[in-house]
Amino acid sequence: NAGVTQTPKFQVLKTGQSMTLQCAQDMNHNSMYWYRQDPGMGLRLIYYSASEGTTDKGEVPNGYNVSRLNKREFSLRLESAAPSQTSVYFCASRLTGSGEQFFGPGTRLTVL
Amino acid sequence: SQKIEQNSEALNIQEGKTATLTCNYTNYSPAYLQWYRQDPGRGPVFLLLIRENEKEKRKERLKVTFDTTLKQSLFHITASQPADSATYLCALPPPGSGAGSYQLTFGKGTKLSVIP
Repeated sequence: NAGVTQTPKFQVLKTGQSMTLQCAQDMNHNSMYWYRQDPGMGLRLIYYSASEGTTDKGEVPNGYNVSRLNKREFSLRLESAAPSQTSVYFCASRLTGSGEQFFGPGTRLTVL
Repeated sequence: SQKIEQNSEALNIQEGKTATLTCNYTNYSPAYLQWYRQDPGRGPVFLLLIRENEKEKRKERLKVTFDTTLKQSLFHITASQPADSATYLCALPPPGSGAGSYQLTFGKGTKLSVIP
């Protein structure tokens, strides 16, 4: 099992550009999550999907959209990137009934 | 609103000693609490979950306690090794959620350095 995979690993954008961060899991988990991690702020939840076909806002959803494409894949889209979105983005998944979340390796995004 | 505090940003400890990390929370009573380990440049990795009706949980050299009166969890690593050096995060479900909550709120973490 690859676990949770994320692409790309690194990305540099200019202000106003758009991009999609991809996440996939092969553990047959129902729930998937997108977090951002900034120095001094810790991990903050952007969006989550409790199950295929549903998505909900987390603590910091502004400027982002998500798509739960199928049970395996959960993408995060930045429509018009801003320097404040410079961060490390983590995707995670969780099996229903289990508390633990499994994290991907992260995407380091810089917006100039 | 919910607040989670890991009261040390950094903790240095001599190899072989017991490291003790603290997680305090305010304003509600979570159904459970989790601890994760994060190495530089990597995603967090789950270590332990302790439920509100459990006082203590152990896994190898790790021990977690959960004091719902003090609203505090302690995370201990006994016989610490340089390989234990990492950032440790505590995480709780948000207020009003139960044991089946989908969400977690994370503390900012404590960076542990074990000195040989």
